[in-house]
Amino acid sequence: AQSVTQLGSHVSVSEGALVLLRCNYSSSVPPYLFWYVQYPNQGLQLLLKYTSAATLVKGINGFEAEFKKSETSFHLTKPSAHMSDAAEYFCAVSDFRGPRGSQGNLIFGKGTKLSVKP
Amino acid sequence: DARVTQTPRHKVTEMGQEVTMRCQPILGHNTVFWYRQTMMQGLELLAYFRNRAPLDDSGMPKDRFSAEMPDATLATLKIQPSEPRDSAVYFCASGFRTGVPETQYFGPGTRLLVL
Repeated sequence: AQSVTQLGSHVSVSEGALVLLRCNYSSSVPPYLFWYVQYPNQGLQLLLKYTSAATLVKGINGFEAEFKKSETSFHLTKPSAHMSDAAEYFCAVSDFRGPRGSQGNLIFGKGTKLSVKP
Repeated sequence: DARVTQTPRHKVTEMGQEVTMRCQPILGHNTVFWYRQTMMQGLELLAYFRNRAPLDDSGMPKDRFSAEMPDATLATLKIQPSEPRDSAVYFCASGFRTGVPETQYFGPGTRLLVL
C-alpha cells in the first residue's frame, strides 16, 4: 500500500532563508507524487507534481521538488522564503497503474505547517 | 477563473440532525472527490465519482453518510443522523482524468460543527 511521511509537522524559517520540507513515500509501483499547499481557511492548491518525466520538478511560487528513487524522497524546496509562503504543505502519492489497475487516488501526508519569521 | 464551489461554507447543527453539503465541480471535469479534514486524521478520502458514477465510497461510514451526483454540475454529501465526531472540514475536489492521475482542484470547504 502507498503511504507518505512528512517529517516535521511544523517548520519555521526566517524570511529570505531556504525552505526545505521533507517527504518520503512508500509505493510498490513507480509513483506519481504531488505537493499541495493550503492557506488558512482555504482548500488545497497544487504546487507541483511528478509524473515520471524530469526528476526535478518546478512549481508555482518558486517552489521545486526533486524525485529521488534511491531515497524514496520528494522533498520540497524554495531558495528564499517569503512571508506569503506561510501555509500548510501536503505531500501526496498516487498508485495509479493504468486503465485496468488502481485508480490512483491520492494518499496525503499529515502536512507540514510552515511559519516565516520577519 | 473556474473554481469549485461549496455550500454552505459553515454549518452548526445539533446531534441527530441531517446535514447536506453541496459541491459544484468545475465545468468539464469528469471526476469529483469528497474529503474530510480533521486535526487527528488529516485528509481522508470519503468517496469519489467519475462521469457521475460512484467508484469508491469505502472511506465513508455507510450507515450515516451518503454521496450522490444527481447531475454533472452538482455533487452532494449527506450525513443522517449527524454526530459530534463528524465535526470536520469537508472538501470537494474535481479534476479531469485522461489517463494519468489528474490535478485535483479543491473547493473552499464546508466547516461542520455538530453539537
